[in-house]
Amino acid sequence: KAGVTQTPRYLIKTRGQQVTLSCSPISGHRSVSWYQQTPGQGLQFLFEYFSETQRNKGNFPGRFSGRQFSNSRSEMNVSTLELGDSALYLCASKVGGSFETQYFGPGTRLLVL
Amino acid sequence: EDQVTQSPEALRLQEGESSSLNCSYTVSGLRGLFWYRQDPGKGPEFLFTLYSAGEEKEKERLKATLTKKESFLHITAPKPEDSATYLCAVQARGGSYIPTFGRGTSLIVHP
Repeated sequence: KAGVTQTPRYLIKTRGQQVTLSCSPISGHRSVSWYQQTPGQGLQFLFEYFSETQRNKGNFPGRFSGRQFSNSRSEMNVSTLELGDSALYLCASKVGGSFETQYFGPGTRLLVL
Repeated sequence: EDQVTQSPEALRLQEGESSSLNCSYTVSGLRGLFWYRQDPGKGPEFLFTLYSAGEEKEKERLKATLTKKESFLHITAPKPEDSATYLCAVQARGGSYIPTFGRGTSLIVHP
């Protein structure tokens, strides 16, 4: 079974721009979660989508948003980029239940200049 | 608030030198504890899920154990390819069931 895929793998943007990241979950998985990982803060939860609905949201500003499509693929958008948004953005998928193991993708490395 | 503390932050071992990584947690009712391995620049790779105190799971040179307050990841006779950051996460029974991650232990195994 193919794993979680994320595109693009690397991205360079400048302050004030916006960016959209994409995630394709493991086949059959209906839940997709997004995380931000930085050396200073570690892994921080952004939000989770299940069946096209946001099920949980972390403590991030409204500049961070996401959506999920009917095929379970998900996108994450960050508007008005700030230098501090530079990070590894990780997507994780699971079948859908509350207490299940998540499987992570390789991540998108975002650098904001 | 759920908390996860991993120690040590960094660990250097010689090939073949066994050791343990610690994950201490505070959670209002543990539903599950997860161990992941993360290589530089890559996403975390799932290793184990533990559900109840006394449970143990093994995979190659790794063995994870769980008590009511902490989990250990034992590495027996490590090899250089075991070098990575090991992350621990807990999921509580109540609330939003979003996993809380520790900061990780960076392991380097020298040949």
